[in-house]
Amino acid sequence: AQSVAQPEDQVNVAEGNPLTVKCTYSVSGNPYLFWYVQYPNRGLQFLLKYITGDNLVKGSYGFEAEFNKSQTSFHLKKPSALVSDSALYFCAVRAQAGSGAGSYQLTFGKGTKLSVIP
Amino acid sequence: DSGVTQTPKHLITATGQRVTLRCSPRSGDLSVYWYQQSLDQGLQFLIQYYNGEERAKGNILERFSAQQFPDLHSELNLSSLELGDSALYFCASSAPQGAEGEAFFGQGTRLTVV
Repeated sequence: AQSVAQPEDQVNVAEGNPLTVKCTYSVSGNPYLFWYVQYPNRGLQFLLKYITGDNLVKGSYGFEAEFNKSQTSFHLKKPSALVSDSALYFCAVRAQAGSGAGSYQLTFGKGTKLSVIP
Repeated sequence: DSGVTQTPKHLITATGQRVTLRCSPRSGDLSVYWYQQSLDQGLQFLIQYYNGEERAKGNILERFSAQQFPDLHSELNLSSLELGDSALYFCASSAPQGAEGEAFFGQGTRLTVV
């Protein structure tokens, strides 16, 4: 079974400060890791993903994430937070879930609410 | 716009009733995922289809069922509705290149059971 943990329900950061949203995962085999953002009353928007290669992944809106295999973590970061970054952030992991083609279960964490304070 | 279309956007119905939620995936995407989002449960995976066949099952109640049709659109059927089924239901689709492809989400259907 695969799982994702986002240990913080809420993260508060002052505008202009760096932000980190934490994520750890558990999966058998190679993990494919994703970050999504959700604004109020909207669907989830893809931010970035880690498949293989460089442990630092860059994504949309200036976000990046660092993959750490030994700590099974995939933390989301941004050097300078904007008020418009305030939203709900979800980490997700995808791995093979069965033997058939396309059997890739996508499991999400509970989400972390990011509030950027002006 | 993600390219994933969900209808209806809002649905209000009474307890005990049955509803059908519809999802049209992005053009070319073979996988469809259904999720339930409620305030206290987060984003719960319900079920996944790939090219018309069920591929993975999550915390889906027996009162719920889904299918993916030959044209790849999918429907989620919810029956004997209870107040606790009130939630946002999301559909997502992904391309057939395997686990590394990101999923794209629709805007969701907000179901209110009264």
